[in-house]
Amino acid sequence: NAGVTQTPKFQVLKTGQSMTLQCAQDMNHNSMYWYRQDPGMGLRLIYYSASEGTTDKGEVPNGYNVSRLNKREFSLRLESAAPSQTSVYFCASSEAWDYEQYFGPGTRLTVT
Amino acid sequence: DQQVKQNSPSLSVQEGRISILNCDYTNSMFDYFLWYKKYPAEGPTFLISISSIKDKNEDGRFTVFLNKSAKHLSLHIVPSQPGDSAVYFCAASAPNTGNQFYFGTGTSLTVIP
Repeated sequence: NAGVTQTPKFQVLKTGQSMTLQCAQDMNHNSMYWYRQDPGMGLRLIYYSASEGTTDKGEVPNGYNVSRLNKREFSLRLESAAPSQTSVYFCASSEAWDYEQYFGPGTRLTVT
Repeated sequence: DQQVKQNSPSLSVQEGRISILNCDYTNSMFDYFLWYKKYPAEGPTFLISISSIKDKNEDGRFTVFLNKSAKHLSLHIVPSQPGDSAVYFCAASAPNTGNQFYFGTGTSLTVIP
């Protein structure tokens, strides 16, 4: 039982490049989330998917897109990376939106 | 605007003593609160929760207290152990927050052996 997995663990991008962060969970959870963590800011929700086939914006969605590929997988795409998107990105899943969330190990992204 | 605040960035406690981590919130509609623990280079892990119908919830060495009138919650760890050294985040949600949790900025706890 791997829980929530994220790839890659580390990534360095140049400004303007694009990339997709992958997330998968094996707990048969309905809801999945993408957060970013910045120093002094805590965790901020980028996008979430309450159930397969739905996605919604969180607190800081600008510059990102998401795809809920199936019940297991939820990807986050940066179309044109900017230095302000340098952060640690966490994917999480939960049985439902009001249950505790299980987090992946994070992706450390640097945009130069 | 930060709706969930953890005003102490760090806390040091001797092993065996009590650790008290505090969290304040501004949205009076928040009705469900969680605490997470995070070690370096790992994702947060769920620790304990409390809903607004209770004022206390206990799980082993961890107890969360909720004071709705003061919009304040606290996490007590008794006795503190060196393995408790981590960053602790509180999070809150409400029926009107669009299915999302709002996280505080975290408190780094160091338990000194």
